[in-house]
Amino acid sequence: GIQVEQSPPDLILQEGANSTLRCNFSDSVNNLQWFHQNPWGQLINLFYIPSGTKQNGRLSATTVATERYSLLYISSSQTTDSGVYFCAVDVSGNTPLVFGKGTRLSVIA
Amino acid sequence: GAVVSQHPSRVICKSGTSVKIECRSLDFQATTMFWYRQFPKKSLMLMATSNEGSKATYEQGVEKDKFLINHASLTLSTLTVTSAHPEDSSFYICSARRPTGANEKLFFGSGTQLSVL
Repeated sequence: GIQVEQSPPDLILQEGANSTLRCNFSDSVNNLQWFHQNPWGQLINLFYIPSGTKQNGRLSATTVATERYSLLYISSSQTTDSGVYFCAVDVSGNTPLVFGKGTRLSVIA
Repeated sequence: GAVVSQHPSRVICKSGTSVKIECRSLDFQATTMFWYRQFPKKSLMLMATSNEGSKATYEQGVEKDKFLINHASLTLSTLTVTSAHPEDSSFYICSARRPTGANEKLFFGSGTQLSVL
């Protein structure tokens, strides 16, 4: 099956700093989503981005499907950005999402 | 937007009891739902695909007799952990996709934290 690798596995940032999280995948994908899992376990969908670039406030994401990677940018990080960021992909409309292992982000004041 | 509701959010039970977790799609019909399991500080692992009106498809290594899945309607799938044991303690989360269109994103429930004593 498709493999999803995320880097870095852990990241500590000073409040206000910027960061880039990376997601590599091993095959062509139909769908790619970025999630933030909050301390209560809830998955918050950040972006649905099988290709191209999207921005939402301080967050933006870019997927280069031909090169099989996606990047999540966090600018001016805040302590509330802390948590685990997951990248997940599927290969067709009928298949489930396959998750990467996540990037655990800690933003310190 | 679409919402997937999952209940209960947290359950504590004694070893040997069965626990039912419900997953509902609130504003769309879902012919397919997915059940995931997450251990502490680990990623989400797919357990099974729940298909409305037919048997669930389980991933390799998942005991179908331990984790019973019923998808009796287009808006409800249930996961029953039968004769739960402490090793079944985990975070369980469901997801659903609208049946129309091949490029719809998956929506997730808020998860259920199961603790078996």
